[in-house]
Amino acid sequence: AQSVTQLGSHVSVSEGALVLLRCNYSSSVPPYLFWYVQYPNQGLQLLLKYTTGATLVKGINGFEAEFKKSETSFHLTKPSAHMSDAAEYFCAVSGGGGFKTIFGAGTRLFVKA
Amino acid sequence: DTEVTQTPKHLVMGMTNKKSLKCEQHMGHRAMYWYKQKAKKPPELMFVYSYEKLSINESVPSRFSPECPNSSLLNLHLHALQPEDSALYLCASSQPGGDTGELFFGEGSRLTVL
Repeated sequence: AQSVTQLGSHVSVSEGALVLLRCNYSSSVPPYLFWYVQYPNQGLQLLLKYTTGATLVKGINGFEAEFKKSETSFHLTKPSAHMSDAAEYFCAVSGGGGFKTIFGAGTRLFVKA
Repeated sequence: DTEVTQTPKHLVMGMTNKKSLKCEQHMGHRAMYWYKQKAKKPPELMFVYSYEKLSINESVPSRFSPECPNSSLLNLHLHALQPEDSALYLCASSQPGGDTGELFFGEGSRLTVL
């Protein structure tokens, strides 16, 4: 069985500040981990993914995430927030094949000027 | 630009209407999905087609009827819907079996049931 917990339904940061969105997972098989972003009235877009290999994963728009097996975490970070980063972010886990991707509840990121 | 195209972007229908949502992808993916997303919630899986065959139905009411005419197309037929069915309906595709499970989403069809 797999599950995802995103800590904080809302996160607010100032423009230029560090963005940290937290995600913890559980999985009975080696997990594939994803962060998706959703802008208002749009579909979900892949930010980054962890499959195997390097545990620090870089994605689009300056985001990165680190897979920590010992902590069962996959937190998303960005050194400097931009107004355009305001969106909903979903952490997700899959056992592969895409059949059953489990999404976290989502974290809404607000960026203040 | 999204490689999964959904039409229409917006749909308003009455509870007695019959309508369809359409989804098309040209990435050669052989798995296609319908998700339902309510406001401020994550997507909920409805149906999965693998190699044009229905492989997962997440106990969705029969007023939703999926169809996969070929490997590039996915339809969702709607009939006798309820106001609580109003939501964003997302189509996605992926490579089935042995892949990481990365999903490619369309921009969604916003459905309002009156």
